[in-house]
Amino acid sequence: GAVVSQHPSRVICKSGTSVKIECRSLDFQATTMFWYRQFPKQSLMLMATSNEGSKATYEQGVEKDKFLINHASLTLSTLTVTSAHPEDSSFYICSARDPSTVSTDTQYFGPGTRLTVL
Amino acid sequence: LAKTTQPISMDSYEGQEVNITCSHNNIATNDYITWYQQFPSQGPRFIIQGYKTKVTNEVASLFIPADRKSSTLSLPRVSLSDTAVYYCLGGETGANNLFFGTGTRLTVIP
Repeated sequence: GAVVSQHPSRVICKSGTSVKIECRSLDFQATTMFWYRQFPKQSLMLMATSNEGSKATYEQGVEKDKFLINHASLTLSTLTVTSAHPEDSSFYICSARDPSTVSTDTQYFGPGTRLTVL
Repeated sequence: LAKTTQPISMDSYEGQEVNITCSHNNIATNDYITWYQQFPSQGPRFIIQGYKTKVTNEVASLFIPADRKSSTLSLPRVSLSDTAVYYCLGGETGANNLFFGTGTRLTVIP
């Protein structure tokens, strides 16, 4: 199946700094990617939909100025957590839908990025 | 998007068949049912998807009755490595958004 990678897998930063997380589709082109956040023992929560060549669509309650999303190419989307604070510590997961498998409509998820803000 | 309800947790012994049922009473005509598996600190992994009746692949079977208001994921002869959280999702093919419910935390006991 299609492969989605994320980098870095784990990051620790000081409060107030910005952190960039990359999401790549390795063997397919994805016009749309998705960013989720997951707190311990909780389910995934969709944060935003990343659209190649246009602005991202954010879910209600997600600050677009704090979570900057850029989807500059068909294989790369980035999420930047600006001025990170301890409450932003979470597991961030991206996903992408492979258009060639639209009949099954599966989304392929990256391995996730564990962000810890001190 | 169909709202789904699953048991919070289940325990099973190794080698047994496990059936996890998901309720989706408000499923729409165009909605498919998809199951994902998630291990700790990993992204979800697609397991199986179906629309109605029965679907089987190399890892699981999915049973969807005629009214489609529920579905059952069947894992044959589970092993310790099947300990994970299993999510049931309902959504329209081509829809962008996936909304994850609480999932079912399956614990396989030796």
